[in-house]
Amino acid sequence: AQKVTQAQTEISVVEKEDVTLDCVYETRDTTYYLFWYKQPPSGELVFLIRRNSFDEQNEISGRYSWNFQKSTSSFNFTITASQVVDSAVYFCALRSRDDKIIFGKGTRLHILP
Amino acid sequence: EPEVTQTPSHQVTQMGQEVILHCVPISNHLYFYWYRQILGQKVEFLVSFYNNEISEKSEIFDDQFSVERPDGSNFTLKIRSTKLEDSAMYFCASRLRLAGRDTEAFFGQGTRLTVV
Repeated sequence: AQKVTQAQTEISVVEKEDVTLDCVYETRDTTYYLFWYKQPPSGELVFLIRRNSFDEQNEISGRYSWNFQKSTSSFNFTITASQVVDSAVYFCALRSRDDKIIFGKGTRLHILP
Repeated sequence: EPEVTQTPSHQVTQMGQEVILHCVPISNHLYFYWYRQILGQKVEFLVSFYNNEISEKSEIFDDQFSVERPDGSNFTLKIRSTKLEDSAMYFCASRLRLAGRDTEAFFGQGTRLTVV
């Protein structure tokens, strides 16, 4: 069975603080892909990153960074120096050979001014 | 930048009525999907479509639902007889196919369906 768990339902931090969103996944497939999507208050789903199971290199994109660890089946997302515009729901997701994306329940992030 | 376009952005319909949600995927994409998100909940897979046929569907996608690619650009989701519990945001997505390479799915902005 495939599953994505985002244990943090809601997080609030003050602007400029760093924040890490946790994601733990389950799959029996050896080839799979992990994603993060952002859903701002307007409702659309914005793609942030895709990672395949063979690439454990961490990635940094501006204030965003991702830490993929196969040993713990985790794919955590860190926002450095958070800004109010980062306020959104963030979804971690998994896709393997059956081509459907399994989403976690999401973490609602509030960045307080 | 190319994007997935969904219309309408909001649809209100009476229970029991048929509704069709419209999507225009990114033009060179070959995989198409519908997902739904009940308010405040997670995004759930409904169906995937490739090569003019359904490649996979979830248990949510029962006989009330159907998908169609009526021409070279549109991808529609039809709900035959809407129920109150069909109220949700429906997302269309598309994905490019590249030999030997995986690609990400791009989502439309969603259609909010309200069944009254």
